Amino acid sequence: KAGVTQTPRYLIKTRGQQVTLSCSPISGHRSVSWYQQTPGQGLQFLFEYFSETQRNKGNFPGRFSGRQFSNSRSEMNVSTLELGDSALYLCASSWTGGNQPQHFGDGTRLSIL
Amino acid sequence: AQRVTQPEKLLSVFKGAPVELKCNYSYSGSPELFWYVQYSRQRLQLLLRHISRESIKGFTADLNKGETSFHLKKPFAQEEDSAMYYCALKYIFGTGTRLKVLA
Repeated sequence: KAGVTQTPRYLIKTRGQQVTLSCSPISGHRSVSWYQQTPGQGLQFLFEYFSETQRNKGNFPGRFSGRQFSNSRSEMNVSTLELGDSALYLCASSWTGGNQPQHFGDGTRLSIL
Repeated sequence: AQRVTQPEKLLSVFKGAPVELKCNYSYSGSPELFWYVQYSRQRLQLLLRHISRESIKGFTADLNKGETSFHLKKPFAQEEDSAMYYCALKYIFGTGTRLKVLA
């Protein structure tokens, strides 16, 4: 069974631009969560989607948004990029979320110039 | 507020020595706690979760609600245990502890 797939693996953007990251969960998994990982802050929860609805949200500004499609694939969008948005963005999927273990992708490394 | 604290950034032990990676949490309800591990050049992966009460790769973790702790333990460390370990309360992750097992 294929694991969680994130594309692209690397991305370079400049301040003010916007970016869209994609995540394909493990087949059958309906919950997709997104995290931002930085050396200073560690892994920080962005949001979780389940059945095309945002079910949980972390403490990130509205510039960070996401969506989930009917096939459970998810996209994350960041608008008006700032230098501080440079990070590894991880996606994780699980059957239903909650107390289910999460399966992580390799991440998308976003660099802002 | 929900919080997970891993007080040690780095823990170095000798091969064959016992290991204890500390994790304390702050949560008012019934916690859903996990330990994840990231080996060098690999994805973050689940090690164990408190509801299953199982031992994985010789590691165990016991939930202590009184002390709000979920420490990860292994009686005899092996070199292949060297990795980054994260404690998580559902979607809230600790900052991680890097375990180095010395030969």
